[in-house]
Amino acid sequence: KAGVTQTPRYLIKTRGQQVTLSCSPISGHRSVSWYQQTPGQGLQFLFEYFSETQRNKGNFPGRFSGRQFSNSRSEMNVSTLELGDSALYLCASSLTPGEETQYFGPGTRLLVL
Amino acid sequence: AQTVTQSQPEMSVQEAETVTLSCTYDTSESDYYLFWYKQPPSRQMILVIRQEAYKQQNATENRFSVNFQKAAKSFSLKISDSQLGDAAMYFCAYRSANIVKLIFGTGTLLAVQP
Repeated sequence: KAGVTQTPRYLIKTRGQQVTLSCSPISGHRSVSWYQQTPGQGLQFLFEYFSETQRNKGNFPGRFSGRQFSNSRSEMNVSTLELGDSALYLCASSLTPGEETQYFGPGTRLLVL
Repeated sequence: AQTVTQSQPEMSVQEAETVTLSCTYDTSESDYYLFWYKQPPSRQMILVIRQEAYKQQNATENRFSVNFQKAAKSFSLKISDSQLGDAAMYFCAYRSANIVKLIFGTGTLLAVQP
């Protein structure tokens, strides 16, 4: 069974631009979560989606948004990019929110210049 | 709010030896899960082992085992017969039973010396 896939793997943007990252969960998995990893702040939870609904959200500004489609694929969008948004963005999936283990994708490395 | 603390930023172990990585957490909840994830240079986060808080028995996965002390809120990872491929950043993580949100520690960078 294929793992979690994320596209693109690498991205370079400039300040003020917006970016959309995509995540396809493991087949059959319906819960998708997003995390941001930076050297300064470590790993931080962004949000979680299940059945096309955002169920939980971390402490990030409104520039960070996401959505989930009916096939469970998820996208996250960051508008008006700032230098501090440079990070590795990780997506994780689980069968349902009740299943305790999340499986991670390889991440998208975003560099904001 | 829940917190996870890893007090060892770096550790080193000789190949074939045993090493223990420390993790403590703080929570007022009684129902939760604890995890150890491994992140090699590829940055892919790989699940190493998980522990349900309601289980008293310590989890074991091949060469990896945990020492879960619920009262002390301690969750250490023991790696036996260390291999070169074990070299990675190891993260301890906490998850409430009711919320799909992992809270991570700051990580321990493990080096394995040949």
